[in-house]
Amino acid sequence: GAVVSQHPSWVICKSGTSVKIECRSLDFQATTMFWYRQFPKQSLMLMATSNEGSKATYEQGVEKDKFLINHASLTLSTLTVTSAHPEDSSFYICSAAGATEAFFGQGTRLTVV
Amino acid sequence: LAKTTQPISMDSYEGQEVNITCSHNNIATNDYITWYQQFPSQGPRFIIQGYKTKVTNEVASLFIPADRKSSTLSLPRVSLSDTAVYYCLVGEGNTNAGKSTFGDGTTLTVKP
Repeated sequence: GAVVSQHPSWVICKSGTSVKIECRSLDFQATTMFWYRQFPKQSLMLMATSNEGSKATYEQGVEKDKFLINHASLTLSTLTVTSAHPEDSSFYICSAAGATEAFFGQGTRLTVV
Repeated sequence: LAKTTQPISMDSYEGQEVNITCSHNNIATNDYITWYQQFPSQGPRFIIQGYKTKVTNEVASLFIPADRKSSTLSLPRVSLSDTAVYYCLVGEGNTNAGKSTFGDGTTLTVKP
């Protein structure tokens, strides 16, 4: 199946700093990518839909100025957590829409200290 | 997007067949049903997708009755490595899981 790669797999940052997470579709072009957040022992929650060449669409309750999404090419979307705080610590997962199904990245564990 | 309901947890033993049923009473005509598996600290992995009747691949079967208001994921002869959370998603076409609402999922525990 198709491969979606996230980088980094885990990151620890200091409170107040910004962190960028990359999501790449390695063997197909993805005009649409999605970003999820998952807290321990909870399900995935959709944060935003990232469309190549246009602004991302954010779900209700997600701060667009805090979670910056850029989808500059058909194979790369980035999520930047700005001015991170401990409550932003979570597991962030991206997915890319393929021809018949969506493919998920391996996730990024963010810990803000 | 149709809401799904699954059992919160299930236990099984190695070598047994496991059937996980998902209810989706409000499924729309264009909706597909997709099942994903997730291990701790990993992204979900596609298992199987179907629209109606029965679909089978190398790892699972998916049974969908005529009214499509439910579906059953069947895992033959499970092993310890099948211990994971299983999600049933309902949505349109190829963006099915991309912009679908993840329910609580079913935590399957396979015991030796």
